[in-house]
Amino acid sequence: GQQLNQSPQSMFIQEGEDVSMNCTSSSIFNTWLWYKQDPGEGPVLLIALYKAGELTSNGRLTAQFGITRKDSFLNISASIPSDVGIYFCAGQVGGKLIFGQGTELSVKP
Amino acid sequence: DTAVSQTPKYLVTQMGNDKSIKCEQNLGHDTMYWYKQDSKKFLKIMFSYNNKELIINETVPNRFSPKSPDKAHLNLHINSLELGDSAVYFCASSQGHSYNEQFFGPGTRLTVL
Repeated sequence: GQQLNQSPQSMFIQEGEDVSMNCTSSSIFNTWLWYKQDPGEGPVLLIALYKAGELTSNGRLTAQFGITRKDSFLNISASIPSDVGIYFCAGQVGGKLIFGQGTELSVKP
Repeated sequence: DTAVSQTPKYLVTQMGNDKSIKCEQNLGHDTMYWYKQDSKKFLKIMFSYNNKELIINETVPNRFSPKSPDKAHLNLHINSLELGDSAVYFCASSQGHSYNEQFFGPGTRLTVL
């Protein structure tokens, strides 16, 4: 079945640093989404990307839908302690969301 | 004003028991989903319902039976619980079954002993 490879699996950074994570797939997706999950909570949508090549920002977050429709990246600028959590990419095809394995982000104050 | 709510938040039970998890959304959405998140945090879709009709069934054992009494509710009943069923189960909803912005509930942590 379709799989998403998300990297890195985990990141330990200093407050104020920029962060970059990405997802790749061997399959084409119609839509890419990025979610964040805080401990003990459900995933919350951060950014949705609907067109190949699209670059979208949400505050300090920027994400891009790869031109081949097989990849996406998420950047977080000037990280703060509340950025801690697990970030998931998800690709949509056939009415289903396929999730990446997640990137666990730790931020040291 | 919770958007997607699930009960219970925690469920601890013995192997072989039958249990149910309830989900309700007040967003007016017509599509609801159940996901399973394993111990490695991998999220996988189990079912989706659109207007009370089953749309997606991802080869889940038939011990799992979703029921949607109306489009605001999607409950999950699990028979003969097994150790491998231990996970966090998330309900989600969206407007339209191919619409992408799914809103997730807080999860139900199921532990089977």
